[in-house]
Amino acid sequence: GAGVSQTPSNKVTEKGKYVELRCDPISGHTALYWYRQSLGQGPEFLIYFQGTGAADDSGLPNDRFFAVRPEGSVSTLKIQRTERGDSAVYLCASGRGITEVLTFGAGSRLTVL
Amino acid sequence: GESVGLHLPTLSVQEGDNSIINCAYSNSASDYFIWYKQESGKGPQFIIDIRSNMDKRQGQRVTVLLNKTVKHLSLQIAATQPGDSAVYFCAERPYNTDKLIFGTGTRLQVFP
Repeated sequence: GAGVSQTPSNKVTEKGKYVELRCDPISGHTALYWYRQSLGQGPEFLIYFQGTGAADDSGLPNDRFFAVRPEGSVSTLKIQRTERGDSAVYLCASGRGITEVLTFGAGSRLTVL
Repeated sequence: GESVGLHLPTLSVQEGDNSIINCAYSNSASDYFIWYKQESGKGPQFIIDIRSNMDKRQGQRVTVLLNKTVKHLSLQIAATQPGDSAVYFCAERPYNTDKLIFGTGTRLQVFP
């Protein structure tokens, strides 16, 4: 596609539930990043992939968060046992390489009740 | 720790005036800086970037200035338009890492 696509655009869930957020990067982009943005804050790094492997997952807040990119294209961010503090906009970005400009998607807004 | 911050959380300007958005960074080892614009409900959109071996770079109506001595970055927007209204983030990439660290953002409001 022309841009980075993220689904769902909005997700409302209950505390303790499991959620998956999907990112379709720009075709041909090898680098893929996940960021989390809380209200009034700048994006906070979570994890990035170069190809299929997670090159740096140091931003994942705890072991409830996990991300995969099995074929080097689409990525899924998985959150187990959601907590109210997980409520935020989850942004995905892709780039031709890790040193290139990142293009962001519109984000998935997660609300945990 | 590493951090990127902004001096002014909100900047209001008259249409047609020039805007200057400032940013301070703390990691002197950062080698790449970038400005993003974010409109409500959208993801950040690239505006302009600059590498640490430069002190100025110009784009269309925008200029980024980098002062490594005082670890300061600024974004200048010429002839500001209503469509420029958004939140602006600066971000830095520390040397030898592959992730961008964002500041908290400045909201630019343009009045007709």
